[in-house]
Amino acid sequence: DIVMTQSPDSLAVSLGERATINCKSSQNILYSSNNKNYLVWYQQKVGQPPKLLMHWASTRESGVPDRFSGSGSGTDFTLTISSLQAEDVAVYYCQQYHTTPYTFGQGTKLEI
Amino acid sequence: QVQLQLSGPGLVKPSQTLSLTCAISGDSVSSNSASWNWIRHSPSRGLEWLGRTYYRSKWYNDYALSMKSRITINPDTSKNQFSLQLNSVTPEDTAVYYCTREHPTGYSDYWGQGTLVTVSS
Repeated sequence: DIVMTQSPDSLAVSLGERATINCKSSQNILYSSNNKNYLVWYQQKVGQPPKLLMHWASTRESGVPDRFSGSGSGTDFTLTISSLQAEDVAVYYCQQYHTTPYTFGQGTKLEI
Repeated sequence: QVQLQLSGPGLVKPSQTLSLTCAISGDSVSSNSASWNWIRHSPSRGLEWLGRTYYRSKWYNDYALSMKSRITINPDTSKNQFSLQLNSVTPEDTAVYYCTREHPTGYSDYWGQGTLVTVSS
């Protein structure tokens, strides 16, 4: 199985400041045939299911604010929130969909 | 807009079978492009993909190896839903269970609300 490891486990950032979450996969999740990284980022708030933020590692879903951005390729990925807002308090997960079983990072708890 | 509605008991006794159903609206369980997944979330194991069912001219299933001897995922085309059965449950199977639609490229784009299933006598 591909192991996904996030860092840090928790993060406290001031309102308006930048938040950076890292995700590392144990195997390359870039398909050379289409040059796509098979990684998504989810945001989960208390009592809700995960919400898809971006796919292909860096493609934002419709309606996701542009303060959220994703980067990276191969095995190392980053989710950045450029200017933290109060509503961004949540747990963030990365997940690879390159190979089943699909696997998730352990989550990063983002607080203010 | 796709919606997924979970149903099933919230309490299951050890050694018994956990059964959940996910009703689909806004798409078809027989879609030739989407797949239908079960994922669970527990404090000890995090988010864990359990398996999926999908139709590509015939029905297929994929299961996590760790579940393979205990899990069955079935489509029900007459009711446009799919189900999860997990046999011989233990307290380790206590989790919030989610059903999801898997986008053709492989990620879950729609999630059901989730249901807590507790395994306890």
